Amino acid sequence: VIWMTQSPSLLSASTGDRVTISCRMSQGISSYLAWYQQKPGKAPELLIYAASTLQSGVPSRFSGSGSGTDFTLTISCLQSEDFATYYCQQYYSFPWTFGQGTKVEIK
Amino acid sequence: EVQLVESGGGLVQPGGSLRLSCAASGFTFSSYEMNWVRQAPGKGLEWVSYISSSGSTIYYADSVKGRFTISRDNAKNSLYLQMNSLRAEDTAVYYCARVVRGVPGYWGQGTLVTVSS
Repeated sequence: VIWMTQSPSLLSASTGDRVTISCRMSQGISSYLAWYQQKPGKAPELLIYAASTLQSGVPSRFSGSGSGTDFTLTISCLQSEDFATYYCQQYYSFPWTFGQGTKVEIK
Repeated sequence: EVQLVESGGGLVQPGGSLRLSCAASGFTFSSYEMNWVRQAPGKGLEWVSYISSSGSTIYYADSVKGRFTISRDNAKNSLYLQMNSLRAEDTAVYYCARVVRGVPGYWGQGTLVTVSS
């Protein structure tokens, strides 16, 4: 099993801020990492796959980087609709695993 | 438009069984791998099971192996999850998700399963 450590678990920020979320793997996964956004009461939505490729329709203020064991999701200029919970997920090997989640809240 | 609609959730006693369904539309169902992912109340996401487009390859999370069975009927554009020997810790919203670029890219709205006496 590949274990994931996502940090921070809670991030307080203001509109316009640049925020970063980290995801660290227990072993290398090349670039087999995805990021999701989830709003309360809704299903998750895919933001990024292959560590850095933006899913169609996702705003360019979202970006992903990293490979191997260390990955980052960056939101360059936080908008009101970005306040949500974010999850990383590895799909290098089964069982697929998710990070614990990062809640981005209004400061 | 891709649509995934889960059904079959509800209240069940510990040790009981339940069968979830996911009706797919808006795409050629038989061409895509599918997954079940769950989320316990107030908790994070947990991948449950994967099935290949033909149904020939299947994987399970250790937490459900031997109790849950994933299947699909490509003629009916439907995905299923048979859940047996249910436990309180199986209480969650269950999502079906279609693979896009190798990952769960399209998700249904979820169906709530509550295991309680």
